[in-house]
Parts: sequence; C-alpha cells; structure tokens
Amino acid sequence: AQSVTQLGSHVSVSEGALVLLRCNYSSSVPPYLFWYVQYPNQGLQLLLKYTTGATLVKGINGFEAEFKKSETSFHLTKPSAHMSDAAEYFCAVSDTGGTSYGKLTFGQGTILTVHP
Amino acid sequence: NAGVMQNPRHLVRRRGQEARLRCSPMKGHSHVYWYRQLPEEGLKFMVYLQKENIIDESGMPKERFSAEFPKEGPSILRIQQVVRGDSAAYFCASSPRELATEAFFGQGTRLTVV
Repeated sequence: AQSVTQLGSHVSVSEGALVLLRCNYSSSVPPYLFWYVQYPNQGLQLLLKYTTGATLVKGINGFEAEFKKSETSFHLTKPSAHMSDAAEYFCAVSDTGGTSYGKLTFGQGTILTVHP
Repeated sequence: NAGVMQNPRHLVRRRGQEARLRCSPMKGHSHVYWYRQLPEEGLKFMVYLQKENIIDESGMPKERFSAEFPKEGPSILRIQQVVRGDSAAYFCASSPRELATEAFFGQGTRLTVV
C-alpha cells in the first residue's frame, strides 16, 4: 500500500523568503509523484510531477521538487515566496503500473501562509 | 477544449435527501476518478470508472453511495439518504488512459448537509 506524509500542516513564510514544503512517501514500486495546489473553494491544479528521468522537476509559478529515492522524499521548494502563493498544497503518489489503475494517494495537505 | 466540468458547484441537502453530483470529463477522456475531501483532510479515492464499467470502488462507503458512467452523458455520484458526515467536497478527475500522470481535476462539488 502506498502512503504520503506531509510534514507540517501549516507553514508560514515571509514574502521573498524560501518556501519548503516537505513530503515523504512509501511505495512498493517505483512511484509517480505529484504536487497539487488548491486555492480556497477551488479545484486542484497540478504544479509539477515526477515520472522518470531527471530527479529535479520544475513546475509552474517557479516551484520545483526533487525526487530523492534514498530518502523517499519529494520536497517542494520555491526560492522566493509571493503573496499569491498562499494556498493549500498536496503531495500525491501513484503506482507506475500493476493494478493501481492510476489512482492517487494524497497527503493531508500543507497550508502555506505568506505574510508581508 | 473545456476542462473537467462538475455541477453543481455547491449543493445543500437536508438529512435523508438524495444528492446527485455530476462530472463531465474532458473531451476524449474515458476514465473518471472520484475523490472526497472531508474538512481538514486530504483527498481520498472513492471510485474509478470507465465508460459503462466500475473498475475499482474500494474507496466507496458500502451503503448509500453509488457511481455510474454511462455510455452517453456525465458520470454521476449518487448519495442516498444523506447524513451530516457526508458534508465534504467531492472532486472528479478524468484521464484519456488509466494513468494519473494524465489526469485533470474538476472544480469540485461542495455538499453541505443540514
């Protein structure tokens, strides 16, 4: 069974500061990994995803994440926070095959607050 | 190409009523996934459907919940005799294949049971 743990349900940063949202996963097979962002009362928007190849993945809005197999981590970073980054962020994992049928297992979410 | 369309966006039901949530996948997508987001929680998988078939309903509550994806028309998530604990945001995602890497999410339906 897969699982995702997001460390810290709330993260607060100053505008212009580094954003670091932590995600650890467990999977019995090589995973696909995702970060989604959800603004209040909105749906989920894909920020970035890791499938194969380069372990450093760049996404939209200046975010990036690095897949570290040895640490089973996929932390999300952004060098300089902007007020518009305030939202809830979800890390998710899916199997790469087998009988998982592409369904996603989500973490609990991290609410990012950006203050002036 | 319109995105995944869910309606209604907001739904209020009294306890004991039925709730019907609709999901129209993106054009060309024949795979639909439903997820539920309870307050203060992440999204949980409910059911995976292909046209006219339920492939995986391991996340669906055993009673009162059902889903369908007919040959024509949207996918429907039906909740009978709603209770307060059913209050949540329900999201669907569609994909052209059974791969999460190609899935797109709708805006969700926020169900409130009063």
